[in-house]
Amino acid sequence: QQPVQSPQAVILREGEDAVINCSSSKALYSVHWYRQKHGEAPVFLMILLKGGEQKGHEKISASFNEKKQQSSLYLTASQLSYSGTYFCGYRSGNTPLVFGKGTRLSVIA
Amino acid sequence: DGGITQSPKYLFRKEGQNVTLSCEQNLNHDAMYWYRQDPGQGLRLIYYSQIVNDFQKGDIAEGYSVSREKKESFPLTVTSAQKNPTAFYLCASSPTGQVTYEQYFGPGTRLTVT
Repeated sequence: QQPVQSPQAVILREGEDAVINCSSSKALYSVHWYRQKHGEAPVFLMILLKGGEQKGHEKISASFNEKKQQSSLYLTASQLSYSGTYFCGYRSGNTPLVFGKGTRLSVIA
Repeated sequence: DGGITQSPKYLFRKEGQNVTLSCEQNLNHDAMYWYRQDPGQGLRLIYYSQIVNDFQKGDIAEGYSVSREKKESFPLTVTSAQKNPTAFYLCASSPTGQVTYEQYFGPGTRLTVT
């Protein structure tokens, strides 16, 4: 079952902050965040692990609430280059990632 | 440079024809995956393989077939049984044995069937 992402789309001005949420009804072992530019491959941003360990991008942060099976991606002081579609994916075991439908982020000058 | 290659980038076919999409990786990854992407639907898993000569169906395997004869290669065949084959297809790979691994994606093939 796909995780649910919110919002579906957001428009920001340069320098503004945004939060993208991802929730699942399944028990999660890890949550992965990717960003995709139109027509390109998704690019890895961040992985959050059960137990709190976090690896990833230095300018973007994220949290993982194991109790609620929710993750949030925090984009601060957004830049034009942050535009794209953000996907969360989860893994509940040694299985392929299951992705949400994505959040389209547009940053304007 | 290590990575995943998919060819061609754009592919056009007539309805009723089978078509095979290529995916090759030189990352020495054991696991490979095929995802389909439609506007507003995210990435949906078609098939995956965690070892040579073995593969499993994903959520939307109907109308597709795969083979995994070599570690480096995981071709996807879109058969005439697939009702709506026009989509963006992404191949990915990852190491196995660790649930913390990231999946690396290829550049994708955009298939248009008319």
